[in-house]
Amino acid sequence: KNEVEQSPQNLTAQEGEFITINCSYSVGISALHWLQQHPGGGIVSLFMLSSGKKKHGRLIATINIQEKHSSLHITASHPRDSAVYICAVLDYGGSQGNLIFGKGTKLSVKP
Amino acid sequence: DAGITQSPRHKVTETGTPVTLRCHQTENHRYMYWYRQDPGHGLRLIHYSYGVKDTDKGEVSDGYSVSRSKTEDFLLTLESATSSQTSVYFCAISEGTGGADEAFFGQGTRLTVV
Repeated sequence: KNEVEQSPQNLTAQEGEFITINCSYSVGISALHWLQQHPGGGIVSLFMLSSGKKKHGRLIATINIQEKHSSLHITASHPRDSAVYICAVLDYGGSQGNLIFGKGTKLSVKP
Repeated sequence: DAGITQSPRHKVTETGTPVTLRCHQTENHRYMYWYRQDPGHGLRLIHYSYGVKDTDKGEVSDGYSVSRSKTEDFLLTLESATSSQTSVYFCAISEGTGGADEAFFGQGTRLTVV
């Protein structure tokens, strides 16, 4: 059973396009994280949110708790945005520290 | 960037040998985690620590042990490595309760068991 589902699995875009990556989850959560993993392997935290919307530069993350859905948007995409984007949630009933991770969305932005 | 360092970054070892991976932080964060990342799976929690000498098991803890004798160091040990433990291992830290606070990740350790 996949408690965190991301779509699409793979995404190719042209530079400048508006990009949306989706995350749906089946458990009650207290927090949702968006992470970025570059080809070199390092993982960086982009956002942590429990309601509403957050914006950082060209990145916007939204969450709808009632619908159990979150989206990550990238405006004016650039080749340097090419990475794997990972959604992770903290389950209400989960043990302390046990984030549940999606399998990631691989984004490739072509110049 | 958060001060978190994993060592080694790459290791090849033989089946049946012990292996220890080290995670070192300079942020004085309370929580530390070890994850493994495998194709077709999301990151999965192996063990975590919520303080010196305080550790607990995660989803995939079989075959792994951990120790935390100092705030800054969290060690992951494979007592007798198996090929199924070939993976990329990530350490993470967070100041507050895991998942309810921003997490910072190390660069990963690629372990190959032959």
